[in-house]
Amino acid sequence: NAGVTQTPKFQVLKTGQSMTLQCAQDMNHEYMSWYRQDPGMGLRLIHYSVGAGITDQGEVPNGYNVSRSTTEDFPLRLLSAAPSQTSVYFCASFRDGYTFGSGTRLTVV
Amino acid sequence: DAKTTQPNSMESNEEEPVHLPCNHSTISGTDYIHWYRQLPSQGPEYVIHGLTSNVNNRMASLAIAEDRKSSTLILHRATLRDAAVYYCILNRNTGNQFYFGTGTSLTVIP
Repeated sequence: NAGVTQTPKFQVLKTGQSMTLQCAQDMNHEYMSWYRQDPGMGLRLIHYSVGAGITDQGEVPNGYNVSRSTTEDFPLRLLSAAPSQTSVYFCASFRDGYTFGSGTRLTVV
Repeated sequence: DAKTTQPNSMESNEEEPVHLPCNHSTISGTDYIHWYRQLPSQGPEYVIHGLTSNVNNRMASLAIAEDRKSSTLILHRATLRDAAVYYCILNRNTGNQFYFGTGTSLTVIP
């Protein structure tokens, strides 16, 4: 039982590049979400999904897209990376409580 | 938005109890109180949650005020492994959209 798996763990992008952060969970949780955490800050909600085919915006959705074609997977896509998107990204799934992945540390130069 | 207020930092001596306070004066009747902690370079992990009554589990205890406008996370014997940022969060139970503040950074002194 792996829980929530995020890939990659580290990534460096150039400004303007696009990429997808992968997230998969094997707990059959309906609810999944993406957060970002900037240095010295708490987590901020980017997007969330209450089930396959359903997504919605959180606090800071601009510059990010998500899709949920299966219960297991919830990828986060950066459309055109900007230095302001340098952050640690956490994916999580929820049933009664949250289970977080180990994070993706993204640097945009 | 229902928000919480926590001290930025606290210190505790190892093997002593720690009481981490949280104020949530705008809590609504159906909001659950959740506590998570984040160890350095890791994602947050679940600690405990409750609605009205005090709760105990193997990690900690949660004491909820009678008016529910505040709560306290109690670590009974702090260890060095408990050094982390502790987040008090209200779950509005309408989509599980947790809103994290900056939490309390707990330092455990050997």
